[in-house]
Amino acid sequence: AQSVTQPDIHITVSEGASLELRCNYSYGATPYLFWYVQSPGQGLQLLLKYFSGDTLVQGIKGFEAEFKRSQSSFNLRKPSVHWSDAAEYFCAVDLVNSGNTPLVFGKGTRLSVIA
Amino acid sequence: GAGVSQSPRYKVAKRGQDVALRCDPISGHVSLFWYQQALGQGPEFLTYFQNEAQLDKSGLPSDRFFAERPEGSVSTLKIQRTQQEDSAVYLCASSPGQPAYGYTFGSGTRLTVV
Repeated sequence: AQSVTQPDIHITVSEGASLELRCNYSYGATPYLFWYVQSPGQGLQLLLKYFSGDTLVQGIKGFEAEFKRSQSSFNLRKPSVHWSDAAEYFCAVDLVNSGNTPLVFGKGTRLSVIA
Repeated sequence: GAGVSQSPRYKVAKRGQDVALRCDPISGHVSLFWYQQALGQGPEFLTYFQNEAQLDKSGLPSDRFFAERPEGSVSTLKIQRTQQEDSAVYLCASSPGQPAYGYTFGSGTRLTVV
C-alpha cells in the first residue's frame, strides 16, 4: 500500500544547529511532495512543495528540501534552527498529482529546540 | 475570505450527542477536504468534495459520520451519536484545483467527547 514514512517521532536540536527531518514514500511513480508545519493548536502551514524540475526546493522560513528519486525520499533541512521552529512537521504526498485529490500524510516529527 | 475558516474552534460533546462542524473555504476554491487528526498523529483523510459533489468518502470511519457541501462552498461535517473515539481535531482544507497553488488548511475544530 502507498505510504509516507517519517522515521523520527521526536528530534531535539540546539538553537543555531542544523536540522534534517526525514521523509520516505512508497509509491511507484513520483508523487507531488509537500512539507507542512503545525504549531500547537494551529492548522497546517505549507513550508514547501515539489512537483518536478530542480530537486532542491526552497521554502518559507529558511527551509529547503531535496527530492531523491533513487531513495524515494524528500528530506527537509534548515541550516540554523531558531527556537520558533519548535513544532510538528508533516510530510505529505498527492498520489494522483492533480492538486485536486486528498493528501496522504506521514505521522509527523516533533521538533524541540533547546538553548 | 482570506483563509479557510472553521467553527467552532472547540467543541465538548457528551457521548451520544450529535455535533456539526463547519468549514468555510477560500472563495472560489473548487475542492474541499476533511481530515481527522488524533492526538500525536498525522491527519487522516475522511472525505472530499469537488464543488457540491462528494467524490470520495472512503475515509469516513462509520455511518455516524456525514458530510455535505450543498452549494459548493461551505461544508458541514456531522457526527451522530458521538463516541469517545471520535475525540480528535477535525481539519478542513481547500484547493483551487491547480497543483501550483497547493492546499490551504483551516485551524481545525478540536472535538472532545466526554
